[in-house]
Order: sequence, then structure tokens, then C-alpha cells
Amino acid sequence: ILNVEQSPQSLHVQEGDSTNFTCSFPSSNFYALHWYRWETAKSPEALFVMTLNGDEKKKGRISATLNTKEGYSYLYIKGSQPEDSATYLCASTDSWGKFQFGAGTQVVVTP
Amino acid sequence: EAQVTQNPRYLITVTGKKLTVTCSQNMNHEYMSWYRQDPGLGLRQIYYSMNVEVTDKGDVPEGYKVSRKEKRNFPLILESPSPNQTSLYFCASSQTAGLPSYEQYFGPGTRLTVT
Repeated sequence: ILNVEQSPQSLHVQEGDSTNFTCSFPSSNFYALHWYRWETAKSPEALFVMTLNGDEKKKGRISATLNTKEGYSYLYIKGSQPEDSATYLCASTDSWGKFQFGAGTQVVVTP
Repeated sequence: EAQVTQNPRYLITVTGKKLTVTCSQNMNHEYMSWYRQDPGLGLRQIYYSMNVEVTDKGDVPEGYKVSRKEKRNFPLILESPSPNQTSLYFCASSQTAGLPSYEQYFGPGTRLTVT
């Protein structure tokens, strides 16, 4: 049973369109929320780490927000490009170093 | 080059034959962790280590052992592998696990098949 849930499981986006998807996590014992990008045949790579309610982080066309009170985070991709195609993983961690990952949202950007 | 290395990258073995997957990082990171990835289940944490000689169980520790005798190394030991341990394994490290929370760096993965 995954306590961290991501939705949707997959989505198809036209090149140039913007999209967003959700990560929900238990707000009890919350410490930090991580986002990773995972391309096929590669290893996950860190995008963002957020800890405070209301945190917003941005890297290029990708941004993320965090709501610790209600237990969710959004990841946004603006003007999707084919190179954005990947699985996006979120993970919640407690103060003891224990991580729980969601199953991921697979994004396919078509030209 | 800063990296996390894992060996072997691919392994096919038989039930019951003890094996070790090595993990090493050259970034002087305090925190290291092992995950397994199975279709539809995401990454599940097996064991993690906050520092040398400090290890703790993740969500799926059964059938695995770890040790952290040196800061850079965190081997994963399967004493008696079974077919349900067939999976893709990732080792990861980060600067610390405490505040602030740092991103993890992942190794290249080890694909293990137990027949």
C-alpha cells in the first residue's frame, strides 16, 4: 500500500501545451517532499526538495508547489517539449530519513 | 566526477545463493539508501543509513541485510535470494537526511533476476 499517491498514472501532452499533476501524501509526520524525474533506462534525478507549507520551486519550465496542511504537491510543466517525456516521481520523507515514493506519473509529449 | 556506483549492473542467480550488491559514493554523503523498483509499485525503500554504523529498516526490509562500516560504502546483502526478490535495485545518497532536506543522487541501478 502506497501512502504517497500520484495522479494521473500517465498523461499525453501535445508539444507546446502546459500540464500539471498531483502528489498527495500523509500530512502527519511530514518532513520534506521530493520530486524526481526518471527517464527510461536512466536513474532518477532530483528536481525539487520542498519543506515549508506554501513553498514554490522553479527550474526552467518546470515548477512545483507544496501544501503541507492538506498534504499535496503539484508539479507544473509549461510549454511541454518532447524532452520532458519521463516519469515524474514524488517522495515524502519523515525526520528519521524514511522515504516513501509514489508510483509516478508518466508524461509523454508528442510533437 | 561526483557519482554513486553500483556493482554488478546485471545479475542472474539461483534461489538460495548468497549475493552482495555493492554501492559506493564519492561525495562524502552521510545518508545512503537502497530501493527496489517493481512495475506499478514505484520505488520502495529497503534500508537506509543516516551515517556510519547507523542503519534502519525501510518499508520492505525482509530478506535483505545491509552494513555501513565506512561512509562511502553501503552494500546490500541477500543471504538467501528468492524469486520474489527479482527486481531493479537502486542505491542513493544525499548530503544528510536532516534539515534542510537534500536531494538524493541515484546509482545506475542493478537488475537482479533470481531463478
